[in-house]
Amino acid sequence: GQQVMQIPQYQHVQEGEDFTTYCNSSTTLSNIQWYKQRPGGHPVFLIQLVKSGEVKKQKRLTFQFGEAKKNSSLHITATQTTDVGTYFCAGQSGGYQKVTFGIGTKLQVIP
Amino acid sequence: DAGVTQSPTHLIKTRGQQVTLRCSPKSGHDTVSWYQQALGQGPQFIFQYYEEEERQRGNFPDRFSGHQFPNYSSELNVNALLLGDSALYLCASSYGALGYGYTFGSGTRLTVV
Repeated sequence: GQQVMQIPQYQHVQEGEDFTTYCNSSTTLSNIQWYKQRPGGHPVFLIQLVKSGEVKKQKRLTFQFGEAKKNSSLHITATQTTDVGTYFCAGQSGGYQKVTFGIGTKLQVIP
Repeated sequence: DAGVTQSPTHLIKTRGQQVTLRCSPKSGHDTVSWYQQALGQGPQFIFQYYEEEERQRGNFPDRFSGHQFPNYSSELNVNALLLGDSALYLCASSYGALGYGYTFGSGTRLTVV
């Protein structure tokens, strides 16, 4: 079945440093979604990328979808303590568009 | 604008018992997906309901079953609970097959003792 791999699993950064998490799917995706889960919370939808090579920005967050629609990345510029949480990518594919989540990257920002 | 509502928020059950978790989707959403999230892991897909039918299913045993009602709300039932069923159970709603992202509820924390 479809697998979505995500690295790194953990990342500690100094406040103000940049952060990147990478996502790779075993199959070609219809789209890739990104979610953020704060400690003790539930996943919150951030964005969806659909087109090959697509790049979208949300303030300090930049999302990319690979040309082959099998990989994606999330880059945060100048991290802040409010960025703390686990970032999940989730790939959608298949006849009924099942959404498969990666293991997540847990980001810790040191003030 | 009501988001996704799940009940109960916490639950403690004994091994071998049965449990029912409930979910009301976001207003306007017609598709409900259930996920199991173990500590430190990503959400694992259990199944998805659309038009009151199970549309697709993940790698979970038949002990996990569900239902969707005409008002789009949904239930997740787990029979013969095992210690390993302890997890956060998340309900996510969306509109249609390619709904633009899922809206998650706050989850039900199930502890099996």
